[in-house]
Amino acid sequence: QKEVEQNSGPLSVPEGAIASLNCTYSDRGSQSFFWYRQYSGKSPELIMSIYSNGDKEDGRFTAQLNKASQYVSLLIRDSQPSDSATYLCAVPNAGNMLTFGGGTRLMVKP
Amino acid sequence: ETGVTQSPTHLIKTRGQQVTLRCSSQSGHNTVSWYQQALGQGPQFIFQYYREEENGRGNFPPRFSGLQFPNYSSELNVNALELDDSALYLCASSLFRMNTGELFFGEGSRLTVL
Repeated sequence: QKEVEQNSGPLSVPEGAIASLNCTYSDRGSQSFFWYRQYSGKSPELIMSIYSNGDKEDGRFTAQLNKASQYVSLLIRDSQPSDSATYLCAVPNAGNMLTFGGGTRLMVKP
Repeated sequence: ETGVTQSPTHLIKTRGQQVTLRCSSQSGHNTVSWYQQALGQGPQFIFQYYREEENGRGNFPPRFSGLQFPNYSSELNVNALELDDSALYLCASSLFRMNTGELFFGEGSRLTVL
């Protein structure tokens, strides 16, 4: 059974700062990684996917993958109060059957 | 809005009862997955249905069962409810073999077991 670990937080950052969210995974054979965002009382939505070592940027979001260290992170630049949510890291077992981490709650303070 | 609808949105049951949750997938999607999300936790995979058959299952006991219908809608049934079954149950639709990791979730059914 694959395991995905995240610090539950809350991670509190001031508006405009960089928020750094981290995730470790147990299966060295994992090839793809996903970040979902879940607002309070809402369902998760996919915001980033990454498949190769290194960085992948999409607007204010950057996903970073280090397969040797079994570590994936999400950076949010210029954090906004609207970024306040729980961020879930996920890896697939097979196909689109995902194992999620416990999530990190991010709070961006104005 | 993802186009995935779930019902009911909230329900309360007592220990030992049975519950059925329903899900209509997004138009064009042929695969439905169910997840259980306890308060303060990440979603846990229950099972996935494709072509009306269970395609994969997580670490859940047999009293959790499901169905998928020809129109790709789905049901989750839980028998002999336990207090620990209290959670948000999320349905997610996707396209089989499109392994993009993108699941389209409904807003969930919140089950409380007393």
